Amino acid sequence: QKEVEQDPGPLSVPEGAIVSLNCTYSNSAFQYFMWYRQYSRKGPELLMYTYSSGNKEDGRFTAQVDKSSKYISLFIRDSQPSDSATYLCAMREGTGGFKTIFGAGTRLFVKA
Amino acid sequence: GAVVSQHPSRVICKSGTSVKIECRSLDFQATTMFWYRQFPKQSLMLMATSNEGSKATYEQGVEKDKFLINHASLTLSTLTVTSAHPEDSSFYICSASPLEYGNTIYFGEGSWLTVV
Repeated sequence: QKEVEQDPGPLSVPEGAIVSLNCTYSNSAFQYFMWYRQYSRKGPELLMYTYSSGNKEDGRFTAQVDKSSKYISLFIRDSQPSDSATYLCAMREGTGGFKTIFGAGTRLFVKA
Repeated sequence: GAVVSQHPSRVICKSGTSVKIECRSLDFQATTMFWYRQFPKQSLMLMATSNEGSKATYEQGVEKDKFLINHASLTLSTLTVTSAHPEDSSFYICSASPLEYGNTIYFGEGSWLTVV
């Protein structure tokens, strides 16, 4: 079993839809959770960064962490064609020398 | 956020030659940088951890003699693909985790290597 599981998709939605992207994990020691967006042929860019359980909102993006279920989500409201990209979840146990574990990435297509 | 710059963004080289890719932290000092490889439509694969002033730590299965990493300063790490072969063609990405940003990982723009 992989430490982090993420459905690779592709996920195709119409413009304006609410998108839900998810990851599950097995290591209960993970405390820091990140979402990255990667456009084709580009390096990933950090979208959201959360610590422990709870919600964090930034514009059209909301990140949720449920440590009891070992489940994290990224919601995108009012999705736009420019949101079409691969979304990677990532997590690690702590700061300092802990390794960051990435999900496989979910490819999202938002149709105009 | 922190800025990590990678150069070149694209490089084509002949089989058997060596290629160097640079990774720079532009607005912070990075004692540790990371090098990844990514095949099309696949996730990131950590190759090695680059440590300033000391030897890099390689992940299992990564040939240290083929992928030479040098981290000579607090703002620069280089990856040299030696005696490149077509199977080394890939997208190489570096990242750094600045302490002042809570050790969050920031990525470079990536470098496309094509070996012909």
